Amino acid sequence: EAGVAQSPRYKIIEKRQSVAFWCNPISGHATLYWYQQILGQGPKLLIQFQNNGVVDDSQLPKDRFSAERLKGVDSTLKIQPAKLEDSAVYLCASSPAGYEQYFGPGTRLTVT
Amino acid sequence: ELKVEQNPLFLSMQEGKNYTIYCNYSTTSDRLYWYRQDPGKSLESLFVLLSNGAVKQEGRLMASLDTKARLSTLHITAAVHDLSATYFCAVDPLDSNSGYALNFGKGTSLLVTP
Repeated sequence: EAGVAQSPRYKIIEKRQSVAFWCNPISGHATLYWYQQILGQGPKLLIQFQNNGVVDDSQLPKDRFSAERLKGVDSTLKIQPAKLEDSAVYLCASSPAGYEQYFGPGTRLTVT
Repeated sequence: ELKVEQNPLFLSMQEGKNYTIYCNYSTTSDRLYWYRQDPGKSLESLFVLLSNGAVKQEGRLMASLDTKARLSTLHITAAVHDLSATYFCAVDPLDSNSGYALNFGKGTSLLVTP
């Protein structure tokens, strides 16, 4: 069974630029999560989708972050414009029915 | 707001020794997860604990859950270098409105030395 796929794996941008990350969950998993992991901390939820609907985006900085999950499968997370404090690893996870989450390899973003 | 506290945050231990990592959380829940993360890597699921008194073991690691005390432990037996990594506990707040999003502790960075 293929795991959660993410791309790109690494991205370096300058502040005020925009960036987008892509996630392909495990086939059949209805729930998809985006987490932000700042160096030295545990992951923090940004947004959660159930199929293509948003369940929780209370911690998403909506002035600069946006996310969508078209057709209930792949998802993209966008940052525009980026700030220095957005430097982090962005993890995508999926789960079949609200239980164990499976994490992708992550995208490491550096904002200079 | 659900709080998840791990201690210690840093742990250096000798090979062959035993030690326990603690995870306390602030709300009622009977779903707790332990993950391992190697430097530059993603999270690897170690244990899923789904009820009070649950105990799971894999190799030199054993995890337990006491929902009444809101405490989970990860016990390391006869540590070896390969166990060096960061270990996270994560709690499911069992809030249908939050859709089972996990709340993570800050992680315990473990270094096993000869």
